[in-house]
Amino acid sequence: DAKTTQPTSMDCAEGRAANLPCNHSTISGNEYVYWYRQIHSQGPQYIIHGLKNNETNEMASLIITEDRKSSTLILPHATLRDTAVYYCIVRPNFGNEKLTFGTGTRLTIIP
Amino acid sequence: DAGVIQSPRHEVTEMGQEVTLRCKPISGHDYLFWYRQTMMRGLELLIYFNNNVPIDDSGMPEDRFSAKMPNASFSTLKIQPSEPRDSAVYFCASSLGGGLSTDTQYFGPGTRLTVL
Repeated sequence: DAKTTQPTSMDCAEGRAANLPCNHSTISGNEYVYWYRQIHSQGPQYIIHGLKNNETNEMASLIITEDRKSSTLILPHATLRDTAVYYCIVRPNFGNEKLTFGTGTRLTIIP
Repeated sequence: DAGVIQSPRHEVTEMGQEVTLRCKPISGHDYLFWYRQTMMRGLELLIYFNNNVPIDDSGMPEDRFSAKMPNASFSTLKIQPSEPRDSAVYFCASSLGGGLSTDTQYFGPGTRLTVL
């Protein structure tokens, strides 16, 4: 799987948009970008995934650059409950069910 | 659906004892994963099953660890004998699998294991 690079930590004011970057410069054409988050003392939770088009769901938006070497997860209106560690993961669509978690970004939402 | 169920939620045992962690995946999911999380090593995959068959156990740390999935609704992770360095949170996850782009893993609440 391609490796990812994320900032160790970030702060965001409550109510503002939280933008979490991820670099995956060695991503292959058949690899998707997945985002999971882990709230303290809980299991990881799926947020969103994408291949090359921007994606949006009820939790977040995912913006993938045209060259697919980086992406940004956007939480449009951050709340205190969004405080968590956010993991950016790339993995192939077929033939590999594994998720390889890096160190992630610790996002703290400030009141 | 109740989601992935793990038991016990907390386990405290003494070095040398056998420990068994249990997991019930989401009904209909074909894949089951066991992860371990520590401060030093983060979240790492130990083993995963497809249709009750172990597919990849390369993450299992040593022979003291074993995992089984006797049927589609139950799996165990056993440590015998346990050691203090096995102290961690152990997560079970399940997914539909099949290589679909929409496949996601759903995690249980974890079992916090402390080996004294």
